[in-house]
Amino acid sequence: SQTIHQWPATLVQPVGSPLSLECTVEGTSNPNLYWYRQAAGRGLQLLFYSVGIGQISSEVPQNLSASRPQDRQFILSSKKLLLSDSGFYLCAWSQGSGANVLTFGAGSRLTVL
Amino acid sequence: TQLLEQSPQFLSIQEGENLTVYCNSSSVFSSLQWYRQEPGEGPVLLVTVVTGGEVKKLKRLTFQFGDARKDSSLHITAAQTGDTGLYLCAPETTSYDKVIFGPGTSLSVIP
Repeated sequence: SQTIHQWPATLVQPVGSPLSLECTVEGTSNPNLYWYRQAAGRGLQLLFYSVGIGQISSEVPQNLSASRPQDRQFILSSKKLLLSDSGFYLCAWSQGSGANVLTFGAGSRLTVL
Repeated sequence: TQLLEQSPQFLSIQEGENLTVYCNSSSVFSSLQWYRQEPGEGPVLLVTVVTGGEVKKLKRLTFQFGDARKDSSLHITAAQTGDTGLYLCAPETTSYDKVIFGPGTSLSVIP
């Protein structure tokens, strides 16, 4: 069966510090991978998605970046965090064919102080 | 750019009441998914609707896809506290790799 792991679960970082959130998927190959951000009580904002190794589509221009160094690994990074980067970050995967059903990780809560 | 709306934004009801939430757009969708997200967790898929006019039931939840495939509704009968959460719709479009969610309806069921 397929599983998705996302870490760390909770992170408190000072303004200007770097960020690295990691997501890995097991039990499937060539998945579509996604990073979303969610403000408190709000919907999901698509940040990045990837249909293959090294292929990253950016949806929102900002100080975040994403990389896919391996087929089932998706990393969200920042060189210098802003206060506005605080939020709940969710990684998800899908098969990428037919109905695009997403399976989400447990999320990473980032607080920038 | 498609505009995806969900209404109401917030809903607070007593346990046992019925409710309906909506997902609307001006675009036609090939299919649409409904998800529920509990606080502090990732969203979980509830259902996919594909055919215009389709009705799907999941226990006390009834999902309908509009005839023109531009809108969908979710009706909950006899709500329970376990139904509390954020209900999100996500349509499948021609850019099917790019999955956009509606803003969500936050439901609170009070015992």
